[in-house]
Amino acid sequence: EPEVTQTPSHQVTQMGQEVILRCVPISNHLYFYWYRQILGQKVEFLVSFYNNEISEKSEIFDDQFSVERPDGSNFTLKIRSTKLEDSAMYFCASSDYGQRAGELFFGEGSRLTVL
Amino acid sequence: AQRVTQPEKLLSVFKGAPVELKCNYSYSGSPELFWYVQYSRQRLQLLLRHISRESIKGFTADLNKGETSFHLKKPFAQEEDSAMYYCALLRGAGFQKLVFGTGTRLLVSP
Repeated sequence: EPEVTQTPSHQVTQMGQEVILRCVPISNHLYFYWYRQILGQKVEFLVSFYNNEISEKSEIFDDQFSVERPDGSNFTLKIRSTKLEDSAMYFCASSDYGQRAGELFFGEGSRLTVL
Repeated sequence: AQRVTQPEKLLSVFKGAPVELKCNYSYSGSPELFWYVQYSRQRLQLLLRHISRESIKGFTADLNKGETSFHLKKPFAQEEDSAMYYCALLRGAGFQKLVFGTGTRLLVSP
């Protein structure tokens, strides 16, 4: 069964450094998402992406965040200058939307630790 | 703004006991509600959605618009049901942002 894959599984970085989290969505999916979960808190929406552009973003997704689909398979989340509060588990998800709206397929997550 | 509330952080039951995981939402429109589950060391995955009105792994959930609730129920819990359960809301067709509750950890003891 096809799955969403994410790399790295865990990244440790220094505050102020740039981080890129990578995701390979399911191949025939058209909608891509990033969510994050700070330890002990709920899963929070960051951004959705469709047709090579951001379709919706949350107030968390400020100027230090960006997303890109550089080729036909990868979907990346870049954090330009990491802060301590960016430490979280970041989940990528994809969906084929359509009639199954709301059915997201999640990756296993990338844990980001900012020191 | 839409919000999902799961009042219990932990629900601990014995095998064979009934289970009800509570979910309340606030949204003035006609939302779509979902339950997602995360088993230990596995990824978050969809368990069920209210519009399909189906039973998955013995779990059911009924949308009660009057009480703005979408509680997840199972008559006889199994040990393999132990997991983290998240209630989630989608504002409706055409929207893409799922709003999650804080989650309830279900622990089923033998």
